[in-house]
Amino acid sequence: QPVLTQPSPASASLGSSVKLTCTLSSGYINHIIAWHQQQPGKAPRYLMKIEGSGRYNKGSGVPDRFSGSSFGADRYLTISNLQSEDEADYYCETWDNTRVFGGGTKLTVL
Amino acid sequence: QLQLQESGPGLVKPSETLSLTCAVSGGSIDRTTYYWGWIRQPPGKGLEWIGSIYYSGTTYDNPSLNSRLTISVDKSKNQFSLKLSSVTAADTAVYYCARHSYSTPVDSWGQGTLVTVSS
Repeated sequence: QPVLTQPSPASASLGSSVKLTCTLSSGYINHIIAWHQQQPGKAPRYLMKIEGSGRYNKGSGVPDRFSGSSFGADRYLTISNLQSEDEADYYCETWDNTRVFGGGTKLTVL
Repeated sequence: QLQLQESGPGLVKPSETLSLTCAVSGGSIDRTTYYWGWIRQPPGKGLEWIGSIYYSGTTYDNPSLNSRLTISVDKSKNQFSLKLSSVTAADTAVYYCARHSYSTPVDSWGQGTLVTVSS
């Protein structure tokens, strides 16, 4: 089954941009992944899915500040003009005949 | 707008069976597109997929749990359920119900319910 690797933690300043990475294991580098945001004390929220081509589709109500991209086995979530409410844990997800989540990246907005 | 709501006991004794239900509102559980799943999160840790069910009753699940796991669907009540047997402290977690298609991501989450395994 696929494995997703996410570095943690990450930090960036208010108003700046940050790029979070999710890496697919060997043999699964063309898989679609999804990003979910989990603010402190809340349930996760679906943000977007990203294809290996880099094309991405966002969920309903996700601000324009959030975008996605891809390069090889890596899938990225870029957040521009960081706001305080973006401080959260970010998880990537993929699926095969099972479903897998990455270990998460804890993002601090300075 | 789709809403998912978990319910069930917040405290379960070791070796007993954990039972949770997810009520679905704002959409029908027997839409052919979707699977209905369970995901858990131990305190301070990451997300773990438990298993999912189609309205027809077809299930697929995490191999690490499937010997203890039963997922069922009740179309008449528009809800689905989770039973996890022989629980230990390692099963203490916030349990989320969720919606996805077989080849698409989870796109809706319940608010979650904390289940503690303790005597």
